[in-house]
This record gives sequence, C-alpha cells and structure tokens, in this order.
Amino acid sequence: DTAVSQTPKYLVTQMGNDKSIKCEQNLGHDTMYWYKQDSKKFLKIMFSYNNKELIINETVPNRFSPKSPDKAHLNLHINSLELGDSAVYFCASSHLVQQNYGYTFGSGTRLTVV
Amino acid sequence: QQPVQSPQAVILREGEDAVINCSSSKALYSVHWYRQKHGEAPVFLMILLKGGEQKGHDKISASFNEKKQQSSLYLTASQLSYSGTYFCGTEGGGATNKLIFGTGTLLAVQP
Repeated sequence: DTAVSQTPKYLVTQMGNDKSIKCEQNLGHDTMYWYKQDSKKFLKIMFSYNNKELIINETVPNRFSPKSPDKAHLNLHINSLELGDSAVYFCASSHLVQQNYGYTFGSGTRLTVV
Repeated sequence: QQPVQSPQAVILREGEDAVINCSSSKALYSVHWYRQKHGEAPVFLMILLKGGEQKGHDKISASFNEKKQQSSLYLTASQLSYSGTYFCGTEGGGATNKLIFGTGTLLAVQP
C-alpha cells in the first residue's frame, strides 16, 4: 500500500486555468506539507497543516490555497495558473513533535503550464 | 535561511568514498538527510538531533558538529545505487519545526 499518494502524477494545462492536486497519507501522521521543487531542484516549503490546522504559510501567491479536510488529506488548489507555476509539487507527512522522525514524501505532481 | 551544501556535484567510481557538507549560519534543532533519485521523491535517510552526534547504517553515516551548525554525510565504498541528489534539511525548532532544505548535492557513481 502506498504511504503518501498524490494525484495526478502529471498535469499539463493552459495559463489562466484553475487546477487541484490531491494528497492522502495512510501512515497515521498528524502533519502534512506541500513543497515545490523548481527546475534547479530547490525544494521550498509552501504550507503545512497539523491536525487540520494551518501552521506554516510561506510567502506564496494567494492564488495557491491549501485545504485539509482531515489529518489524512491535504489538497492544493491553484487559481489563474501562470508559466512560473510549472514545477514538481510534493506532498509530505510526518509527526510534528516526535523526535527522530523524518518526512515521507509522495511521488510528486509534475505541473506544466503552457 | 537555506542551508548551504558542498560540493554542488561529485562524480565517483564504484568503491570510492564521498563527503557532503551542510552548513547553517545559526545553531539548529536538528538535521535531516534525504536522497532523491531522478524523477522520484526524496527518501529519508537519517536525522541527527544532538551536537557531536554520529549516526549511520550500512555504509552511509552522518555527523552533527558540537555547535550544531554543520553536518556531514559520509558515503563509503560507494555503490551504483548511491547515485542521486542528496539534500540536508534543517529545523530551527519552535512550534512549527519548519524543515528547510539545502541547496542539494548531485552524486554520480560510475562503474
């Protein structure tokens, strides 16, 4: 069984469209994250939810809106897509306060805006 | 603040050793190490929490210096499967424990 699953794996869309990426984890973790990996491979944190509460909200355009209906799910909705939004978006999960605990990443969603 | 990794890239022959460094300008709560193969997700390798700590499994180990501002990842007798991009991730502590990833080190192991 996949631990952290993201859908879709690939997303090609035109500028100006709105799209969503979904993430689900079955590890029982209490915290989920969205990271963006650009063409230079830099991994930047965007958002984090702990037990459905938004705890990290980095400087991200407000066209990006995360939603966590429960602690096993975290979605990312992007409005009015721009060329610069093209990247790989990774969902991850972990336990917030448990020491010696790493992050488990989903397989990523490659978003291409044309 | 993004931690800085060095070197940016390294090419090895099978069986050779490599060291990857990760530096921060301030003391850290913890350091994580991840490996990402091309087209795949980053995979957690290990986490170090204490100054002076050393940890490892198989032929991959890491250290965290006493001041908790620098960590090094050691790969000994490298294998083809070690190829990928290695990232350190640093946590400054606090309620959110935000994990900031380093600049990455591309490791290529050749036969």
